[in-house]
Amino acid sequence: SQQGEEDPQALSIQEGENATMNCSYKTSINNLQWYRQNSGRGLVHLILIRSNEREKHSGRLRVTLDTSKKSSSLLITASRAADTASYFCATFTGNQFYFGTGTSLTVIP
Amino acid sequence: DAGVIQSPRHEVTEMGQEVTLRCKPISGHNSLFWYRQTMMRGLELLIYFNNNVPIDDSGMPEDRFSAKMPNASFSTLKIQPSEPRDSAVYFCASWDGVVNEQFFGPGTRLTVL
Repeated sequence: SQQGEEDPQALSIQEGENATMNCSYKTSINNLQWYRQNSGRGLVHLILIRSNEREKHSGRLRVTLDTSKKSSSLLITASRAADTASYFCATFTGNQFYFGTGTSLTVIP
Repeated sequence: DAGVIQSPRHEVTEMGQEVTLRCKPISGHNSLFWYRQTMMRGLELLIYFNNNVPIDDSGMPEDRFSAKMPNASFSTLKIQPSEPRDSAVYFCASWDGVVNEQFFGPGTRLTVL
């Protein structure tokens, strides 16, 4: 399976702390994306990093990609209670998207 | 654009009944995906259409599941007969084939008693 795996499965932090989630995948990719899912809702695209990029920023989000290790990380800085959600990585290869298993993040006010 | 539209949002049915889930993708998007999400199995891709043609249905669990896309603006996922283990949230997502981003609908929460 090309499905990515997120680590940790669940993460609980205090508001204001940084949250780091990791994603590992198995095959070569065109790009990797991170999505967020609030409880009871569909997934929403957050950020995309191409295979030739190593780091990307968007607001409080920082994504890194290490294609040699087939891994990516998502850092959310200065977390807020509203960041509580599940976060999924998705790899794009050919014309297919492959979603990971997700990390459940809880930010405690 | 209203985004991806799914109906119904919630469905409760009894074992053995036929269930039909509906999806309207974003106008102009030529790819449509059906996913199933459960606590145990996470997010699973069931089937993927491109230009209304099924490209990959390897994720369809068994013959009780079928999906159609009769035109670019409508798709259905049918389960007949339904079983309790089909209880899950079913998502539809669409993609324009250019920007590598899928747009998800709100999902249909299916409960089979």
